[in-house]
Amino acid sequence: GESVGLHLPTLSVQEGDNSIINCAYSNSASDYFIWYKQESGKGPQFIIDIRSNMDKRQGQRVTVLLNKTVKHLSLQIAATQPGDSAVYFCAEKGPSDYKLSFGAGTTVTVRA
Amino acid sequence: DSGVTQTPKHLITATGQRVTLRCSPRSGDLSVYWYQQSLDQGLQFLIQYYNGEERAKGNILERFSAQQFPDLHSELNLSSLELGDSALYFCASGVDRGHGYTFGSGTRLTVV
Repeated sequence: GESVGLHLPTLSVQEGDNSIINCAYSNSASDYFIWYKQESGKGPQFIIDIRSNMDKRQGQRVTVLLNKTVKHLSLQIAATQPGDSAVYFCAEKGPSDYKLSFGAGTTVTVRA
Repeated sequence: DSGVTQTPKHLITATGQRVTLRCSPRSGDLSVYWYQQSLDQGLQFLIQYYNGEERAKGNILERFSAQQFPDLHSELNLSSLELGDSALYFCASGVDRGHGYTFGSGTRLTVV
């Protein structure tokens, strides 16, 4: 079946640098995308979302980019901090879907 | 606090037993979603309820069942438990299909 996946399972980033987390999706009909952050022992926490009629959306220190041509989604974190260490999941939903489909996740480790 | 309450936080039980996990959605949310997260795995969708009715079903085992009550809280029942059922079980609640949803902090089930 179609699913959302991530390019890399782990990412190590120096504190203060920018992080880029990538996600490839296969369902061209998906029209809603979302990034979640999951810290150890906690539930996933909403970071930012984007609809398919947009290419870019910015939040506080985070930017999501959507490239529908190549079915690619990315999350950029500016000035990465130790508190950003977590597993990041992208998820997608199609227009007829009620549920989000999640990728496998990328573990981000911030080096001091 | 996300507003989604899951109880219990931890559960240890023996193989063959039956357990019930409980979820209270965020105020105003009509949808409840159940996900399973095994060790180092992504989030696997189990089932969704909307205003008391089953709306979507994922790869939920026949040994598992769920329901949503008139007060909108939901219960996930796991029976004839096996060692492989050990996992984190998350509940999430949402408004409608066009948005993401909010996760609870999960129930960690350990089957011994």
